[in-house]
Order: sequence, then structure tokens, then C-alpha cells
Amino acid sequence: EVQLVESGGGLVPPGGSLRLSCAASGFIFSDHVMHWVRQAPGRGPVWVSRISHDATVISYADSVKGRFTISRDNAKNTLYLQMTSLRAEDTGLYYCTRDSAWSFDYWGQGILVTVSS
Amino acid sequence: QSVLSQPRSVSGSPGQSVTISCTGTSSDIGAYNYVSWYQHHPGKAPRLLIYYVTERPSGIPDRFSGSKSDNMASLTISGLQAEDEADYYCCSYAGSSSWVFGGGTKLTVL
Repeated sequence: EVQLVESGGGLVPPGGSLRLSCAASGFIFSDHVMHWVRQAPGRGPVWVSRISHDATVISYADSVKGRFTISRDNAKNTLYLQMTSLRAEDTGLYYCTRDSAWSFDYWGQGILVTVSS
Repeated sequence: QSVLSQPRSVSGSPGQSVTISCTGTSSDIGAYNYVSWYQHHPGKAPRLLIYYVTERPSGIPDRFSGSKSDNMASLTISGLQAEDEADYYCCSYAGSSSWVFGGGTKLTVL
């Protein structure tokens, strides 16, 4: 069974930093492109970042470019999102997702990030 | 404001059919056949229903179907069941390794 479990969220002041982790199991992690998607309260999801299976191809939404860094450790079956210079508008539920056929075939339960003083 | 436009809510009675629209532009839905749809019950992980505009992953009932015309995609749910009550989101690849989502549609089964 595919499982994606996010961790590392919490309350952080504006300008602060946070690192999210996503532990993957039930599939060959190193074979798959992975993404982070976030969702602010009462809003639709927003794609944040993508990383290829071998971490050689990375892309970001314009809203987070230069502030967020996606990475992965295939030996540990773990995806990361390092977030810096956090803003109030970064508040939301952050989902780790697996890529399949230009869509997101498995999602974690999400982890809450709240940026507030 | 989300990039793709969906109706805020739709409703239908058990056994009926409902269609949820998703309007984009010639840069996303109109440019690629990479439209996907997701079902989300609050508190649970979102579930992929449709990919490649019309394809269903294994385990998704054929009551769920997708289509696209120009810059608009649609999800049709036939034979409505109580458990279909959820939020539904559309998504499209938008080029340059980026994806855009809709704002979501709340389906109420009357």
C-alpha cells in the first residue's frame, strides 16, 4: 500500500523557516517524480514544487521561487521542502504527492503550516 | 483566486447525474490533454479520479467520467451515491513544469 506521511509543520513567525519531510513507503520511491502541493483554508490547491526521480530536474511555482527548496533522499525514501522567508500567505495544508501521467496519483494527509506572529 | 474556474457548488439526488465544469485558458486546459480530477473528503487524502482528461485509475468506478472541449473540462458523476458527497478539484498542466488547480466544487447529495 502506498503511503505518504508528512511531518515538520507548525506555527512560525513571518520571516521564519521550516523544513517539511514526507516519508514514502509501499512503492519504489526512487522511480517516481514527486511534488509538493499546498492548500490555504477555504481555497483550492496550489502546486508548489516538483522534483524528478533523481533530483536532476526541479521546478517551483513563481510564488515560492528563491524561498523554498525541494530535495529528496532516495536512500531514506524521503522528500523534503525547506521553506525560508515565510509569509502569511504561505499558511496552509502542505501535501506530499506522487506524480503519475502528469497528475498526482497519491497524496499524503497533509501537514499544517501556519505563518503568524 | 484559483487559476481554473469551477462552480462553488452543485447538488443532485441519489441516482441522478451531475456535471462539474472547469474553465481554463489556451495556456493550460486548451494546450494539453493533461487534465486531472480529484475527490476530497475533508480530513482525508485527496483521491485521483481522472487523468489524461478521460482515463480512470484502477479502482475508480466508471460512474466517474471526464471530457474536454477547447478550454473547458468536465467531470460527470452518474448514479449519484451518498458517499460521492465531497469536494472536487480539477487540475491541468500549464507548461514549463507547472500545474494549475481549480478552486473546488462542493457536491451535495440531496
